Amino acid sequence: EAEVAQSPRYKITEKSQAVAFWCDPISGHATLYWYRQILGQGPELLVQFQDESVVDDSQLPKDRFSAERLKGVDSTLKIQPAELGDSAMYLCASSFDQAEETQYFGPGTRLLVL
Amino acid sequence: KQEVTQIPAALSVPEGENLVLNCSFTDSAIYNLQWFRQDPGKGLTSLLLIQSSQREQTSGRLNASLDKSSGRSTLYIAASQPGDSATYLCAVSGNTPLVFGKGTRLSVIA
Repeated sequence: EAEVAQSPRYKITEKSQAVAFWCDPISGHATLYWYRQILGQGPELLVQFQDESVVDDSQLPKDRFSAERLKGVDSTLKIQPAELGDSAMYLCASSFDQAEETQYFGPGTRLLVL
Repeated sequence: KQEVTQIPAALSVPEGENLVLNCSFTDSAIYNLQWFRQDPGKGLTSLLLIQSSQREQTSGRLNASLDKSSGRSTLYIAASQPGDSATYLCAVSGNTPLVFGKGTRLSVIA
């Protein structure tokens, strides 16, 4: 069964350092989402891509976060510099297209900023 | 702004019990409502999706209902098993991207 892949699964970094997360969506899925989930909370959307274009990045802290999906397939989310408050689970999800309601989630990357 | 609330925040039941998880949302203009399961430290698995025009969906021992006018949904789990222990999240889709509740952490005791 096709799955969304994410790496790394865990990342420990010191504040002010740069970190990057990678996501490979299910093959053929045009829409890709990055979510942030703080412990005890529900996921919150950071950015949504349709192919290589950003559809919604209104909740992305653009002073330190960036996301790209250059070829419309896999995607990278970067944080520079990391802050203590960025400690969270970063989840990637994909769907066939924007009209497809079901999103398929990857296992997530758990980030700890010290 | 859409807000999603889930009650209770945590629930512990003995194996075999039937149980109900509750979800409420403030803006009834939704496209659909979804229930997800999340195991500790893992991603989310979609359980059920109810379109705004539907009243309920069933999958195995799970039944989800939707009352859009009152802004409420329930997830009914029949004959609970220890393997059902997880966090259950409800999310609504509307004019904004998916908005999630904080989840209900379920423990089923053998």
